[in-house]
Amino acid sequence: DAGVIQSPRHEVTEMGQEVTLRCKPISGHNSLFWYRQTMMRGLELLIYFNNNVPIDDSGMPEDRFSAKMPNASFSTLKIQPSEPRDSAVYFCASSLNSLSGNTIYFGEGSWLTVV
Amino acid sequence: AQKITQTQPGMFVQEKEAVTLDCTYDTSDPSYGLFWYKQPSSGEMIFLIYQGSYDQQNATEGRYSLNFQKARKSANLVISASQLGDSAMYFCAMRSSGGGADGLTFGKGTHLIIQP
Repeated sequence: DAGVIQSPRHEVTEMGQEVTLRCKPISGHNSLFWYRQTMMRGLELLIYFNNNVPIDDSGMPEDRFSAKMPNASFSTLKIQPSEPRDSAVYFCASSLNSLSGNTIYFGEGSWLTVV
Repeated sequence: AQKITQTQPGMFVQEKEAVTLDCTYDTSDPSYGLFWYKQPSSGEMIFLIYQGSYDQQNATEGRYSLNFQKARKSANLVISASQLGDSAMYFCAMRSSGGGADGLTFGKGTHLIIQP
């Protein structure tokens, strides 16, 4: 079975450039999450969707970050313009639904470096 | 607000010994799930084991077991017969369905190193 698929796996970009991270959740999963992991702050929830609808984006650091889920099988996280402090690993994750007993499965992460 | 506390930043354990990784949590929600994830040096987050707040028995998955003490709000991970491949970061996490919030709240992790 295919897990959560993220692309790109690694990206190096210059400050000021636009970055788009992509995610394909596990088929049949209705909840999708974007997390960011840094040494300083650990794992942070940025935003999550239920049935393609953004439910809570309070974790999005600022207006430079935006996320979309145009359909059940695709989501994007965009950073525009990017800054060096955005360097982190960005994880997409999905689960069957929002019940607390459902496991959240993670993609392999997108390693972003902004220079 | 939910909180996960992992008090062991790092641990060194001899191969084949059992390991206990500590996790305490705080939540006001009556229904919640507790999860452990493993993150090897390659970076992926691997789901290990789940315990529901209403489960009467401790969860087990192969060499992994979860020592769930609800009154103490602890959910320690026990790894039996540790192997070199168990060396990784381990994260305790909680998910609840209360208050409209969702997603996992993570602890800061424990870096486990298994020595031959």
